[in-house]
Amino acid sequence: AQSVTQLGSHVSVSEGALVLLRCNYSSSVPPYLFWYVQYPNQGLQLLLKYTSAATLVKGINGFEAEFKKSETSFHLTKPSAHMSDAAEYFCAVSDPWRDDKIIFGKGTRLHILP
Amino acid sequence: DAMVIQNPRYQVTQFGKPVTLSCSQTLNHNVMYWYQQKSSQAPKLLFHYYDKDFNNEADTPDNFQSRRPNTSFCFLDIRSPGLGDAAMYLCATSSLGDRLEQFFGPGTRLTVL
Repeated sequence: AQSVTQLGSHVSVSEGALVLLRCNYSSSVPPYLFWYVQYPNQGLQLLLKYTSAATLVKGINGFEAEFKKSETSFHLTKPSAHMSDAAEYFCAVSDPWRDDKIIFGKGTRLHILP
Repeated sequence: DAMVIQNPRYQVTQFGKPVTLSCSQTLNHNVMYWYQQKSSQAPKLLFHYYDKDFNNEADTPDNFQSRRPNTSFCFLDIRSPGLGDAAMYLCATSSLGDRLEQFFGPGTRLTVL
């Protein structure tokens, strides 16, 4: 079975500092991987996705993630945090050869300190 | 703009009183999903439709039902809400050509008194 583990349910960074949200996956086949963002009382918005092409994936709002097979990781980064980045971030995995279900991690709440 | 719309955004019901949540989409997507998201938890898939083909998750309680009368609309019916059903309910859609990119609505927050 596939799963993702997000390290840290809460992460705080100062405005302008590097954002690093960690995600490790478990999958017996090459997975598709996603990062979603959820603002308070809103639905989820896709930030970026990895679908077996380039290992460095660029998304919206200046975020990017790198697929590292050797580390089974797909960490999300942004060079400089902005106050508007404060939200919940979900890493997710899917097996494109099996079904179309997306399995979400438990989420990491990102706090931006002024 | 093409989008996924959920109504109402906030719903209050009483213990045991049936409630229906609504989702509509202007994306013309074939696939529609319903997720339950409890506080500080990941979204959990309840069921989804490929067109009119209904797919229920094995652990979705019988208390939860769904209807999809046409491509644009999908409803979530909770027959006898319990306190444990209080959650955010998210509707999402995807196209058959790219089922792994799901577009989410803003959600309906359900309170059960």
